[in-house]
Amino acid sequence: VQLLESGGDLVQPGGSLRLSCVVSGFSVSSNYMTWVRQAPGKGLEWVALIDHGGKAHYADSVKDRFIISRDTSKNTVYLQMNSLRREDTSFYYCARVWAAALDFWGQGTLVTVSS
Amino acid sequence: DIQMTQSPSSLSASVGDSVTITCRASQTISAFLNWYQHRPGKVPKLLIYSTSVLHTGVPARFSGSRSGADFALTISSLQPEDFATYYCQQSDSTPYTFGQGTKLEIK
Repeated sequence: VQLLESGGDLVQPGGSLRLSCVVSGFSVSSNYMTWVRQAPGKGLEWVALIDHGGKAHYADSVKDRFIISRDTSKNTVYLQMNSLRREDTSFYYCARVWAAALDFWGQGTLVTVSS
Repeated sequence: DIQMTQSPSSLSASVGDSVTITCRASQTISAFLNWYQHRPGKVPKLLIYSTSVLHTGVPARFSGSRSGADFALTISSLQPEDFATYYCQQSDSTPYTFGQGTKLEIK
């Protein structure tokens, strides 16, 4: 099993970025997938989840700005981040939800929002 | 949204000690309470799921329990590799939420 995130970068406030999480070893269409972030010096914060049927769920802090999606043909999960704020600066991890817990995590990708 | 209050925020202990970290939900939740270990520069690691089930490969010195509204992670006979930050997380309903974390340091 492997989850590989990419797409993190330095972006200006108000900008957009799309993160990708390429999965091998299991199918994203058969599992709930989630994004979790950690700001510098802070704790873990749950961001978004996509369920079996493709329904999305979001933290209040990112609702209406972020969109989680998946491409089952590429076995990849995405996080489209719009209207980025300085407080979105974080390491972003994707993870699989199994037995209602996050059992496999990627290595993470760093998003920095700064002018 | 369900808020998770974790305590203490930091803890000092010695190798061989036993420690307990607690987590309380802001409302009644099911057994979908999980515990993770996060070492600096590493990926978070699932330790316990569904309150008390030990994840594959996790040493038996880690255990989880529940008493009413309080959930607990106990680490018995601390080893050097156990000094890390620990988080609880509820999956009872979205938005999933994490506790604030407990940093376990060597005394």
